[in-house]
Amino acid sequence: DTGVSQDPRHKITKRGQNVTFRCDPISEHNRLYWYRQTLGQGPEFLTYFQNEAQLEKSRLLSDRFSAERPKGSFSTLEIQRTEQGDSAMYLCASSFGTGDGTNEKLFFGSGTQLSVL
Amino acid sequence: GQQVMQIPQYQHVQEGEDFTTYCNSSTTLSNIQWYKQRPGGHPVFLIQLVKSGEVKKQKRLTFQFGEAKKNSSLHITATQTTDVGTYFCAGSNSGYALNFGKGTSLLVTP
Repeated sequence: DTGVSQDPRHKITKRGQNVTFRCDPISEHNRLYWYRQTLGQGPEFLTYFQNEAQLEKSRLLSDRFSAERPKGSFSTLEIQRTEQGDSAMYLCASSFGTGDGTNEKLFFGSGTQLSVL
Repeated sequence: GQQVMQIPQYQHVQEGEDFTTYCNSSTTLSNIQWYKQRPGGHPVFLIQLVKSGEVKKQKRLTFQFGEAKKNSSLHITATQTTDVGTYFCAGSNSGYALNFGKGTSLLVTP
């Protein structure tokens, strides 16, 4: 399978615990995005990487959230001290950017469904 | 910040009827994309519009980008049960973030 992979598919945790999600983008894609989606809503942008550089972060991304893409390949999203409001589907997407200023189509993974009890 | 709004939120049609969803932005967009998300699935790219007034067709789907690049529409002719899902528009006016609307959920009954 050469699509975007996310792990785990589901995560149940207790309030206050830390969780980490992993995303493996399509191998030749240089751009990686994290989005969050709750029921009945569209995906909300969280952060964007070009290669290993984190170039944009949403104001939604509180200081409890941190994302890395250490070698410009896979990425991790960590949430510290989880709260019930963090319950959502966390979607990763990747694209190949040519730098001409237009957005490229995003390829989404199947997401990690987080439930905070 | 930029907001992308979609109407209607839900649409229920009989198979064979037409369907249209509308997308409006509070700011001028550099481009707009449309995605489809099946129940339980993830968003899948449908199309990107870049030029003012652009119209693109994919079989029964027709996409339009407004002259002012602040609105867009998706029209499906003669819906089929396979068209069921939520249709999202997503736009950007600057930066890298694609901002998604809340989507229009389409239900098609045979």
